[in-house]
Amino acid sequence: EAEVAQSPRYKITEKSQAVAFWCDPISGHATLYWYRQILGQGPELLVQFQDESVVDDSQLPKDRFSAERLKGVDSTLKIQPAELGDSAMYLCASSSGALEYEQYFGPGTRLTVT
Amino acid sequence: SQQGEEDPQALSIQEGENATMNCSYKTSINNLQWYRQNSGRGLVHLILIRSNEREKHSGRLRVTLDTSKKSSSLLITASRAADTASYFCARQKVTGRRALTFGSGTRLQVQP
Repeated sequence: EAEVAQSPRYKITEKSQAVAFWCDPISGHATLYWYRQILGQGPELLVQFQDESVVDDSQLPKDRFSAERLKGVDSTLKIQPAELGDSAMYLCASSSGALEYEQYFGPGTRLTVT
Repeated sequence: SQQGEEDPQALSIQEGENATMNCSYKTSINNLQWYRQNSGRGLVHLILIRSNEREKHSGRLRVTLDTSKKSSSLLITASRAADTASYFCARQKVTGRRALTFGSGTRLQVQP
């Protein structure tokens, strides 16, 4: 069964350092999402891609976060510099389309900033 | 920020009992989806109900939607220990930003 891949699964970094997460969506899925989930809360969308284009990054803290999906396949989310408040689970999801489609989630990257 | 509320925040039941979780929201929706998340893992899609539907079934799951009250419920019948997880409702708006908006979830514990 096709799955969304994410790496690393766990990351510990010191504040002010740079950190990057990688996501490989299900083959053929044009829409890719990055979410942040703080412990005890639901996921919150950071950025949505349609193919290689960003369609929604209104909740992305652009002073420190960046995301790219250069060839419309895999994607990278970067934080620089990391802050203590960035400690969370970062989830990647993909779907066949943006409208009325279920999303398939990867296992997530647990980030701890010390 | 997250729209809507899930109720209850936590629920503990015995195996074999039914579990009901509720979700309320504030804006008009295109559809509402329910997801399950096992501890420290990604989310798994359970069921999608469109705004023009009132009830939907999938195995032991039953979802209802009342758009006049802006609320939905998820019923898990004959619960099993393996159903222990967090359950989230996610709303997709009709217009504007079409991405899903998740609630804060209900943490279900099924005691064997």
